[in-house]
Amino acid sequence: KQEVTQIPAALSVPEGENLVLNCSFTDSAIYNLQWFRQDPGKGLTSLLLIQSSQREQTSGRLNASLDKSSGRSTLYIAASQPGDSATYLCAVPNDMRFGAGTRLTVKP
Amino acid sequence: ETGVTQTPRHLVMGMTNKKSLKCEQHLGHNAMYWYKQSAKKPLELMFVYSLEERVENNSVPSRFSPECPNSSHLFLHLHTLQPEDSALYLCASSQELTRDEYNEQFFGPGTRLTVL
Repeated sequence: KQEVTQIPAALSVPEGENLVLNCSFTDSAIYNLQWFRQDPGKGLTSLLLIQSSQREQTSGRLNASLDKSSGRSTLYIAASQPGDSATYLCAVPNDMRFGAGTRLTVKP
Repeated sequence: ETGVTQTPRHLVMGMTNKKSLKCEQHLGHNAMYWYKQSAKKPLELMFVYSLEERVENNSVPSRFSPECPNSSHLFLHLHTLQPEDSALYLCASSQELTRDEYNEQFFGPGTRLTVL
């Protein structure tokens, strides 16, 4: 059964810093991986979908990578801003399994 | 309306009440999902529907009863809930339920449920 883990559970950084969020999954036979953002009390907003045939996907200041063989994905956020403060979740959509998220705080 | 919508956004109910949560997707998708999100826990899959047929019931208590009258609408009927059922209930949809690299889920804003 697929298990998805995210470390750290919480992260606080000063504005302008580049940062990396980590996601690991136990079953490497995945078709894709999806990263979401969730603001407090709100639904999930899709950020990036990385297909297994890709190793990387970029959107603005966000870059997500996928390494199936090691069971890992990372979300890189460049030049962080206070507006990036939220919880970031990774998921294996085909298995309908989600990580518990990393709560990010970017301090002005 | 665009995307996935959910009503109501907030709901407070007693343990003896009956209420329903509604989800509607405007994306032309064929698969819909109910998830439960409790504090500091990963999302838990509750039910999955594909073309109005329930394909997964993830050991959910019978006090939760889903209904999918068509591929655009999904309901979650609630009856005799417990305080531990208080959570954020999220609806999602995807194009199909096939296992492929294009399967991507889109979420609604959720219903914050409080059971007194």
